[in-house]
Amino acid sequence: DTVLTQSPALAVSPGERVTISCRASESVSTLMHWYQQKPGQQPTLLIYLASNLESGVPARFSGSGSGTDFTLTIDPVEADDTATYYCQQSWNDPNTFGAGTKLELK
Amino acid sequence: QVQLKESGPGLVQPSQTLSLTCTVSGFSLTSYNVHWVRQPPGKGLEWMGRMRYNGDTSYNSALKSRLSISRDTSKNQVFLKMNSLQTDDTGTYYCTRDLTTVATDWFAYWGQGTLVTVSS
Repeated sequence: DTVLTQSPALAVSPGERVTISCRASESVSTLMHWYQQKPGQQPTLLIYLASNLESGVPARFSGSGSGTDFTLTIDPVEADDTATYYCQQSWNDPNTFGAGTKLELK
Repeated sequence: QVQLKESGPGLVQPSQTLSLTCTVSGFSLTSYNVHWVRQPPGKGLEWMGRMRYNGDTSYNSALKSRLSISRDTSKNQVFLKMNSLQTDDTGTYYCTRDLTTVATDWFAYWGQGTLVTVSS
């Protein structure tokens, strides 16, 4: 299975720019997607196909990458962005998720 | 409005079978794929399997021997059955839907999830 590696946690101040990385153990082309999950809630889709912003998601969120290295950027970060962020690949079967990056605001 | 809602028993005994139902509205099961994703408490997400729009199914190889997904299109329901449950099957089980009919395997719509506890 394709393993997706994410940093476990980040802490930033409101107004700053934050990048969350996801590295795949093998190429996933651009079939990488990002989700936000707040405590006690279901995940929500932020970015699909590496760089496409899902409808209704603020333009502060953006994604980039291809192959094995991907990045989710939030600029500027707001207090409401406190959450865990997951990457997910759908190029190789089975679909797999990263372990998540917990974003905390200082 | 697209909606998915999971239902099932909150408590299952070890070695027993889990049966969950995903009831959908706002779209047709014959047009969109529906997936099951689970999440152990405090941990990450695991894709379990999918019911394709045409009735075909695919499963995570790690669960394939224990898992079955089916549907009743007349009732707008997708079913999950998993046998031989153990304590590490405890978690929240979500049903999800693809973004579009051609954009498959990324999950734009999620149910609220149902918590399943495996315990005697």
